[in-house]
Parts: sequence; C-alpha cells; structure tokens
Amino acid sequence: DVKVTQSSRYLVKRTGEKVFLECVQDMDHENMFWYRQDPGLGLRLIYFSYDVKMKEKGDIPEGYSVSREKKERFSLILESASTNQTSMYLCASSSSGQYHTGELFFGEGSRLTVL
Amino acid sequence: GDSVTQMEGPVTLSEEAFLTINCTYTATGYPSLFWYVQYPGEGLQLLLKATKADDKGSNKGFEATYRKETTSFHLEKGSVQVSDSAVYFCALYFNKFYFGSGTKLNVKP
Repeated sequence: DVKVTQSSRYLVKRTGEKVFLECVQDMDHENMFWYRQDPGLGLRLIYFSYDVKMKEKGDIPEGYSVSREKKERFSLILESASTNQTSMYLCASSSSGQYHTGELFFGEGSRLTVL
Repeated sequence: GDSVTQMEGPVTLSEEAFLTINCTYTATGYPSLFWYVQYPGEGLQLLLKATKADDKGSNKGFEATYRKETTSFHLEKGSVQVSDSAVYFCALYFNKFYFGSGTKLNVKP
C-alpha cells in the first residue's frame, strides 16, 4: 500500500516556539504538498514542492517555511508559532509526468494546538 | 479562476436513506474531478474520480458523473450506512488542486 506518514498526530506548543512537522512518502513521488484544514474553509495550500530543494508558495504561505532535502521527505516549519496557526495540517504527495493521474495521497494529519 | 462549490453541511440521514451531496465547479480548462472522504481522526482518501465529461466514477456504492453542461459532479449513494459518516470533499485538478469546503455527513442508525 502507498503511504504518506506524518511524524506527529498531535502537538501542543507555546506561542513563539519553533515547530517542525515532518512528512515522509514511500511512493517515489515527485510532488509533495502541505495543506491546512480549518472548519468551513476546507483545505488551503501552504507550500508545495515538485522536486528536491524546490519549493513554491501556495495560497497561505505567511508564517511558514518548508524544506525538502530528500525526495521522500517534506518538512513544514513554523518559525514562531502563533495561536492563529492552531489547525490540522495535512501532507500529501502525487506523481508527475505521463503517469500523473492528478490523484493526491494524504497522510493522516497533524493536529497542532498553539497556546 | 478555477473553484469548487459544494453544499454546506452537516447532512443528517437515517441509515438506508438516499444521499446526494451537490458539487459544482468553475474551470478554465478541462479538469479532472474527484471526491475525497475523511473519516473521523484520519486524513483524506480518494473515494472516486472522473477524468473527462460523461465519465462516471464509482466506489463503495458511491457514484458521481462528470457533467460538463451543468459543470457538476454530484455525489450519490442509494443506501447510506452508519459507517459512511465522514466529511466529503469535492475537488478539481487542472495543473493545481482546488478543494471544496467539505460536507459533513452524519448517518443515524
């Protein structure tokens, strides 16, 4: 089975802390994504990466950064966490090229609470 | 720009009732259309998809038909079960993914 694994299911952090959310996929996918999910707002794209060391801003990148040093791993970084970043964070991956079906494969999510 | 609009929830049904969740889209090109489902405490998983007009996607008793003339991709199931309780997301893909806001379905025994 294909798998996207997020390192932490639940985190509680304090305002101003630096937060790392890790995501690993085992499907050799080129594309990886970080979304934020909030009630009534659906999924909003924070950042995505289409190759190692490449990154592109999504719709809501402010307050976040990302790192992709290896193909299978995509990290989301909150440099200084704030209470309005309390949310569910979803990592996803997809293939590209001629076999690209457009399908996204999601991890189980990381629920972050910032106090 | 491209977008997806789906009916607001929550939708509450009794077991064995008929389900329809409406989804309409706006797209500049010819997108692929998807329904994703999120069960409590889990991430999203693909439920079904359709890649061109008039295609019907189906899975686990759910169906949706890609209607270009009405720009719709409504999700239907003839007889829902308690285990179908989840949040359902309509999405389109055309160089980028666009998600609807999600519709929560509660099925009562």
